[in-house]
Amino acid sequence: DAGVIQSPRHEVTEMGQEVTLRCKPISGHDYLFWYRQTMMRGLELLIYFNNNVPIDDSGMPEDRFSAKMPNASFSTLKIQPSEPRDSAVYFCASASPGPQNQPQHFGDGTRLSIL
Amino acid sequence: GQQLNQSPQSMFIQEGEDVSMNCTSSSIFNTWLWYKQDPGEGPVLLIALYKAGELTSNGRLTAQFGITRKDSFLNISASIPSDVGIYFCAGQISTGNQFYFGTGTSLTVIP
Repeated sequence: DAGVIQSPRHEVTEMGQEVTLRCKPISGHDYLFWYRQTMMRGLELLIYFNNNVPIDDSGMPEDRFSAKMPNASFSTLKIQPSEPRDSAVYFCASASPGPQNQPQHFGDGTRLSIL
Repeated sequence: GQQLNQSPQSMFIQEGEDVSMNCTSSSIFNTWLWYKQDPGEGPVLLIALYKAGELTSNGRLTAQFGITRKDSFLNISASIPSDVGIYFCAGQISTGNQFYFGTGTSLTVIP
């Protein structure tokens, strides 16, 4: 089975540019999570969706960050305008519905460098 | 957010040795997960725990859900070089809510 698919794997851009990260969750999973990982702060939850609806976006650092999930098989995380401090690895994860708390399955991440 | 304290922060061990790491929380969790992350990849689920006191194995890995529901432990027996990576714990307070991740334990296995 295909896992969570993220693109691009690497992105290098200059500050001030718009950055769009993409995620395709595992088919049938109705939870989708966006995380940011840095050496200093570890894994931070930015936002998560349930059935395409944003449930908790309290981790989104600033208004420069926005996330959408237009359908069950696609989500984007956008940064506009980007800044050097946004450099990090961004992970998308998905989880299935179920009576128990279903584990999240992660993509391989997008390594973002803002120059 | 919730604080998950994971220790040790890093470990350097000889191949063949056993490894123990743990995760503690100030809150009661009803689910604990353990992940491993290899360089350049996303975290991969190792073990999921759903009941206080539960002890679950996955090959050479064994994890336990602490009876206080505020901690969890991961043991790796007879370590091998491919065990190298960063191990994360994650806990969840209630169904449908987010998981909180520990800061990770970096494991280095010396052949």
